[in-house]
Amino acid sequence: AQSVTQPDIHITVSEGASLELRCNYSYGATPYLFWYVQSPGQGLQLLLKYFSGDTLVQGIKGFEAEFKRSQSSFNLRKPSVHWSDAAEYFCAVTGAGSYQLTFGKGTKLSVIP
Amino acid sequence: DTAVSQTPKYLVTQMGNDKSIKCEQNLGHDTMYWYKQDSKKFLKIMFSYNNKELIINETVPNRFSPKSPDKAHLNLHINSLELGDSAVYFCASSGGGAGETQYFGPGTRLLVL
Repeated sequence: AQSVTQPDIHITVSEGASLELRCNYSYGATPYLFWYVQSPGQGLQLLLKYFSGDTLVQGIKGFEAEFKRSQSSFNLRKPSVHWSDAAEYFCAVTGAGSYQLTFGKGTKLSVIP
Repeated sequence: DTAVSQTPKYLVTQMGNDKSIKCEQNLGHDTMYWYKQDSKKFLKIMFSYNNKELIINETVPNRFSPKSPDKAHLNLHINSLELGDSAVYFCASSGGGAGETQYFGPGTRLLVL
């Protein structure tokens, strides 16, 4: 069975500081990995995705993520956080031939001005 | 220009009532989904339709019934609403086959009193 673990329930960072949100997945074949962001009261917006190729993927809003197969991880990073980045972040996994997208439980990001 | 839209955005109703949530996508996608997000923000898939055919039917009470009149629409009908049905319901769509990126609607916030 596929699963996603986001070990950090809540992270607080100061504006301008760097950010790393952790994501570990379990998937029996080659995974397709996603990061979504949900601002308060809003829907889910796709930040970035990894299907194959370069293991460092760039997304919107200055985010990037690195796929590490050996560690079953797909961590999200941003070099300098803005107050508007405060939101809930979800990592998700699926694979070729699957319509089943499995989400982690999310990490809530708070930003101190 | 909204890619995936849902109506209504908010729904407040009494226990025992029947209600419907509508979803429409203008992306030309073949596959649509319904997810439930509980009070702890956990997202879980409920149903998926591909070309109007049900392909995912998770363990959901049979009070929930999806209906896909055409590829661009997927509605969710809920009978005999219960307090535990209070949640945010998200519609999503994807194109190009399994494993493709899912795009989410803004959500419908259902409160059962």
